[in-house]
Amino acid sequence: QQQVKQSPQSLIVQKGGISIINCAYENTAFDYFPWYQQFPGKGPALLIAIRPDVSEKKEGRFTISFNKSAKQFSLHIMDSQPGDSATYFCAAGNGGYNKLIFGAGTRLAVHP
Amino acid sequence: DTGVSQNPRHKITKRGQNVTFRCDPISEHNRLYWYRQTLGQGPEFLTYFQNEAQLEKSRLLSDRFSAERPKGSFSTLEIQRTEQGDSAMYLCASSLDRTNTEAFFGQGTRLTVV
Repeated sequence: QQQVKQSPQSLIVQKGGISIINCAYENTAFDYFPWYQQFPGKGPALLIAIRPDVSEKKEGRFTISFNKSAKQFSLHIMDSQPGDSATYFCAAGNGGYNKLIFGAGTRLAVHP
Repeated sequence: DTGVSQNPRHKITKRGQNVTFRCDPISEHNRLYWYRQTLGQGPEFLTYFQNEAQLEKSRLLSDRFSAERPKGSFSTLEIQRTEQGDSAMYLCASSLDRTNTEAFFGQGTRLTVV
């Protein structure tokens, strides 16, 4: 019940294309859903986060779509760039503090 | 650099030895977290401090692991009698004492047990 399932494991997108990463969760107590970006040798860095009272949040080229009834959320990266090549992790928490349950990650490669 | 600082960045140790890692959080952050990340996986929660109080420990934190945060500032994570399965990246994060606030991660300490 604590798992967060993330797909795909890896993704190859052409420059300018849309990258889509999906996550699903089981625990309905989760109320905080961040996405983290991690480059090799670095710690994860927060990209964008959403709470379940909204269905979509957009920040620049990054958008989270949230479906509370399906217990699913996804990250869309518009106009993908080679600099976006990294590993992306979805996570879920229940808001009180950052005890986050992370997905297994998606390795994104954006080809020029 | 005012981010979360972790030392050392890399540690190679022989099986059975003890190791200690240090984390210096962002100065005004009173929440501090330790996570463990193995290759190809997402970070896994280990433990959480609110100021100097350790408020939660994961079942992943066996009795060989101990974490402290004296005076609510820096934190240390010690692993006694290391095993090869302890090889991982150990990540520290800190945040403000607010709901749904961003956790800032350090660059981690990569432990290799040989």
